[in-house]
Amino acid sequence: EDQVTQSPEALRLQEGESSSLNCSYTVSGLRGLFWYRQDPGKGPEFLFTLYSAGEEKEKERLKATLTKKESFLHITAPKPEDSATYLCAVQASSGGSYIPTFGRGTSLIVHP
Amino acid sequence: DADVTQTPRNRITKTGKRIMLECSQTKGHDRMYWYRQDPGLGLRLIYYSFDVKDINKGEISDGYSVSRQAQAKFSLSLESAIPNQTALYFCATSDSKLTYEQYFGPGTRLTVT
Repeated sequence: EDQVTQSPEALRLQEGESSSLNCSYTVSGLRGLFWYRQDPGKGPEFLFTLYSAGEEKEKERLKATLTKKESFLHITAPKPEDSATYLCAVQASSGGSYIPTFGRGTSLIVHP
Repeated sequence: DADVTQTPRNRITKTGKRIMLECSQTKGHDRMYWYRQDPGLGLRLIYYSFDVKDINKGEISDGYSVSRQAQAKFSLSLESAIPNQTALYFCATSDSKLTYEQYFGPGTRLTVT
């Protein structure tokens, strides 16, 4: 069974204080690992897809990295507008319906 | 205009009532999904459809039914609403020919009293 665990559940940062969010996963062959941002009361917004260990992707202050067991979302010099819940999901490449499995998310609050 | 739309955006209904949530997309994607989100439980899959003739149950399909009227439309019905179906409901789409990421609608906040 595919599993995704995100840590920490909640993170409070001061503006400019860089940090990382973790997504640990167990999957029978990785087709893709996805990061989403979700603002309160809104639908998740797609950020990145990572396909293989060693891959990295960046968007503004966010950088996602991938190993064979986990992914990190690094946030450099965050701003209050980066406050949101960040969701990780994995999709297996075999043995199932190819439906993504989501983690429960990390709630990030950035204080000015 | 938004690529994935959901109607209604908010709904309050009474126990035992039938209610339908609708989702439409202009992205041309073949796959559509219905999720519910509850505080602390994350996103849970209710139903998904890989094309108009292919509909599948997710992990929490009891008490729900769906209809895929066209490639662009996917509706979720609660035949007899109960209070523990109070939640935020999201529709999502993806394209099997591309990179599998999902695109979500804005959500429907449903309250069953």
